[in-house]
Amino acid sequence: SQQGEEDPQALSIQEGENATMNCSYKTSINNLQWYRQNSGRGLVHLILIRSNEREKHSGRLRVTLDTSKKSSSLLITASRAADTASYFCATDGSGNTPLVFGKGTRLSVIA
Amino acid sequence: DGGITQSPKYLFRKEGQNVTLSCEQNLNHDAMYWYRQDPGQGLRLIYYSQIVNDFQKGDIAEGYSVSREKKESFPLTVTSAQKNPTAFYLCASRTSGNTEAFFGQGTRLTVV
Repeated sequence: SQQGEEDPQALSIQEGENATMNCSYKTSINNLQWYRQNSGRGLVHLILIRSNEREKHSGRLRVTLDTSKKSSSLLITASRAADTASYFCATDGSGNTPLVFGKGTRLSVIA
Repeated sequence: DGGITQSPKYLFRKEGQNVTLSCEQNLNHDAMYWYRQDPGQGLRLIYYSQIVNDFQKGDIAEGYSVSREKKESFPLTVTSAQKNPTAFYLCASRTSGNTEAFFGQGTRLTVV
């Protein structure tokens, strides 16, 4: 079962613009994670936000979490062509349950 | 260098054949996972293992089998019972639940 649902499915922006991707999920979580995948490659972890956190920053990334709305957003500021990739949210439930991934957002940054 | 290695990168399977995908990690992680990714889709969980000699089915385990005889290794066998095996397979590991996962570079399996 896929817990997270990213929105939009695809996003195309100009270099220098900000990119915002959203993730909605269905059940209670311990944390939510964002991953990046370049075409044909494995996923790379970007950031983890715990259920008791509302906002987290890492370089040009800003993640928010609203547990009351069961949603999260990933903001990439001042985007670069190298940010072109697919971005996935993944949720962690209680205990040692596996990460559950959404379908991802395909981001294209045009130089 | 610590990491997680999948091999081969590309694999071709004939109809009715079993094939095994390798996943090895030297990160000393207890938990390991196999996901399947179809074009333009998210990751679906096939099998996972939290500890050596133990594993659990994921959402789409039918037609697949795994073993976890060593902490470092979690091979996935795609059996002839899997009717639509063409996909990108990703292996991941992490220390335990609620931590970040590390992924291999994937194996692209094609039925010929």
